[in-house]
Parts: sequence; C-alpha cells; structure tokens
Amino acid sequence: NAGVTQTPKFQVLKTGQSMTLQCAQDMNHEYMSWYRQDPGMGLRLIHYSVGAGITDQGEVPNGYNVSRSTTEDFPLRLLSAAPSQTSVYFCASKRRQGAASYEQYFGPGTRLTVT
Amino acid sequence: GQQVMQIPQYQHVQEGEDFTTYCNSSTTLSNIQWYKQRPGGHPVFLIQLVKSGEVKKQKRLTFQFGEAKKNSSLHITATQTTDVGTYFCAGRKSSGDKLTFGTGTRLAVRP
Repeated sequence: NAGVTQTPKFQVLKTGQSMTLQCAQDMNHEYMSWYRQDPGMGLRLIHYSVGAGITDQGEVPNGYNVSRSTTEDFPLRLLSAAPSQTSVYFCASKRRQGAASYEQYFGPGTRLTVT
Repeated sequence: GQQVMQIPQYQHVQEGEDFTTYCNSSTTLSNIQWYKQRPGGHPVFLIQLVKSGEVKKQKRLTFQFGEAKKNSSLHITATQTTDVGTYFCAGRKSSGDKLTFGTGTRLAVRP
C-alpha cells in the first residue's frame, strides 16, 4: 500500500492564483481530512469528509473548497491564493468511528508559498 | 469550540534528561491520541488512550490520561537524540470523527 499520497510536494503561487492540492489514499478509509500547519499553531483542521459525497468544514475553512467524489481522493482547492495561506498542508485519512477511534495516517505534506 | 493546549511550546534538554509535555482540553474527551513529527516529516501515530486515568508505556515513553478525561501527558525517560521532534496530542469528543490537535511541543536534545 502507498498509504496517503499528496501532490505536489512544493508549490509557489502568486496572490490571486488558484490551484488544487491532490490527496489520495489506498486504504479504503472513509474519513479524510486536510490540515494546515503553521509555526506555533499546531495542526488546524480545514475541511474533512466522512465518506464519498459528504464534506464539512473544520476550524479554518475560509478560502478553501473540497469535494469527495470517490473514497480514494480528497482534493483541496485554493480559490484565490493569499499570502496568509502560505503554510504546510497535510492530508490525512482514517477509518470511521465506531465504538473505537482509529489512528490517522498522514501524507508527506505540501509546502505552499504565496507571494 | 474545542481547544487543546500543550505546554511547553518548546523544550531543550541534555541527552539523558527526562522530558514531559502536557495537554489540556477545554472539554471532556472521548479519547486522546499522541503523534510525533520528526523535523521535515509528517505526524506519525504513537498511541491512543481511552479510559479515565489510563496509563500506557512504550519503552521509555509513558502516556497518561487524566481522571476527568480533559488532560493528558507524555513523559520520556532518559531522552535520546532520536527523540527529537514535535509531539502533538489530539483529542476527540464523544460525538463525531473530528480530532482536534494540540499546539505541539517541540523537543530538542543536546548530545
């Protein structure tokens, strides 16, 4: 299994440009999520999905869109990039809750710079 | 909303010294997980605690979940240079799938 994959690894955008960060997992996990990581701020949840066709907002959703057309893929779209979106972005997946909770598997991250 | 704070934000220790990071939630948690992120890497799951007062050990690492299920700690005995990284706790409320991550504690170890 490849686990969670993310592309690209690095990206530089100009203010106002749009782009899509790709995320895919091959573990048949229902739950997928996007985080951004900024110094001293920990990991902040942007959007998440509990299954194909279902998405919801996290703590910091403004300026980002997501969709979940398949179980495997969960792309994150930046509509009009701003310097405040300069960050490291992690995609993660896990099995859904039942009576137990499951560990999250993280992708390698995308380092995004907006100038 | 739910907030999870960790202290300290940063700690620099001499190799062989002990290290502890503390995690505090503003709400009662269903369970708590701990992750480690090496410099330049991604977070990797270490352990999950579910029961009130639970204590788990992994070699030199000891994890505790508070009696009220609102706080947790990670203690490393006799740190090694391989322990370098940022340690995050992540809590889940009783309903839903979302994990709320703490702010993290960055550990540096002097050889």
